[in-house]
Amino acid sequence: KAGVTQTPRYLIKTRGQQVTLSCSPISGHRSVSWYQQTPGQGLQFLFEYFSETQRNKGNFPGRFSGRQFSNSRSEMNVSTLELGDSALYLCASARGGSPLEQYFGPGTRLTVT
Amino acid sequence: GENVEQHPSTLSVQEGDSAVIKCTYSDSASNYFPWYKQELGKRPQLIIDIRSNVGEKKDQRIAVTLNKTAKHFSLHITETQPEDSAVYFCAASFNDMRFGAGTRLTVKP
Repeated sequence: KAGVTQTPRYLIKTRGQQVTLSCSPISGHRSVSWYQQTPGQGLQFLFEYFSETQRNKGNFPGRFSGRQFSNSRSEMNVSTLELGDSALYLCASARGGSPLEQYFGPGTRLTVT
Repeated sequence: GENVEQHPSTLSVQEGDSAVIKCTYSDSASNYFPWYKQELGKRPQLIIDIRSNVGEKKDQRIAVTLNKTAKHFSLHITETQPEDSAVYFCAASFNDMRFGAGTRLTVKP
């Protein structure tokens, strides 16, 4: 069974631009969560989608948004990029029930200049 | 929301020694406690997990213990090997997943 995939793997953007990242979960998984990983802040929870609905949300500004499609693929969008948004963005998929046994994708390394 | 604290932030042991990493959580509703290992430049990998109705779980050289009353859980690695060197993250989950800040484990040959 194929693992979680993320595209693109690397991205360089300029401050003020917006960016869209994509995540394809493991087949049969209906939950997709997004995390921001930085050296100083560790793994910070952004949001979780299940069956196309945002089920949980972390403490990030409204510039961070996401969505999930009927095939469970998910995208996250960051608008008006700031230098501090430079990070590794990880998505993780799970079947969707409880507990949330999650498997991570390789991440998208975003650099904002 | 859930708050997870993890200690120590760095840990250095000699090959063959044991390593213990401890985490505490704040939300008594949390019912699932996974541990992830992240090697440099790679994705976090789920190495072991425990549910709230179990006090201890073991898988070869790694074990996890959970004390629900005290709201803390620990990862134990015995007979450490250089390939165990990585950053280890604990997490606690009820609806969403919250992670500890990570422990950088170095195993010296």
